[in-house]
Amino acid sequence: AQSVTQLGSHVSVSEGALVLLRCNYSSSVPPYLFWYVQYPNQGLQLLLKYTSAATLVKGINGFEAEFKKSETSFHLTKPSAHMSDAAEYFCAVTRMDSSYKLIFGSGTRLLVRP
Amino acid sequence: NAGVTQTPKFQVLKTGQSMTLQCAQDMNHEYMSWYRQDPGMGLRLIHYSVGAGITDQGEVPNGYNVSRSTTEDFPLRLLSAAPSQTSVYFCASSYISSASWTGELFFGEGSRLTVL
Repeated sequence: AQSVTQLGSHVSVSEGALVLLRCNYSSSVPPYLFWYVQYPNQGLQLLLKYTSAATLVKGINGFEAEFKKSETSFHLTKPSAHMSDAAEYFCAVTRMDSSYKLIFGSGTRLLVRP
Repeated sequence: NAGVTQTPKFQVLKTGQSMTLQCAQDMNHEYMSWYRQDPGMGLRLIHYSVGAGITDQGEVPNGYNVSRSTTEDFPLRLLSAAPSQTSVYFCASSYISSASWTGELFFGEGSRLTVL
């Protein structure tokens, strides 16, 4: 069965430091991959989406993610963390069987230290 | 635009009680869905719909019912609440293009349910 693994339930960085949030998907390449962000007491919102057009995907708020088929990864990065980036981040993939189901990872909470 | 609106935002139930979580969207999206969010488990799909009159089960459908009588509304009914249904529930919607479903979801702000 398809799955998504996010390494690290909590990641803590200093303001201005590199942000790296890890996501690995199961071996079959899914049609679409996503990163969603959830700010406290809010719903999720789309950060970026991979659709096979380009392996490096740029999203909102300076985030980007690189699709690496050889590593089955879709890690999220940002060169310089800002306090406002503190949130929970979810990696997600669509299923291979083209059903209308999105599979989410368990989430990574990003803490930004002043 | 209101986007996806969920009501109520908070609810406390006793075991065995029933209730309905409401979800409405004003974007004319064909696809609507309900997820539950539990700590350390991400989001799990409960039920979804690809249009009025069409619903299907997700990963964790037991104990929940849905119906889709209009494009705008997709209520989630808990028939007999159990403590295991204590969770945060999210409604989400999206377009379905003629070619495929891209999975790009628009979420409501969530409904926090506690079952005692």
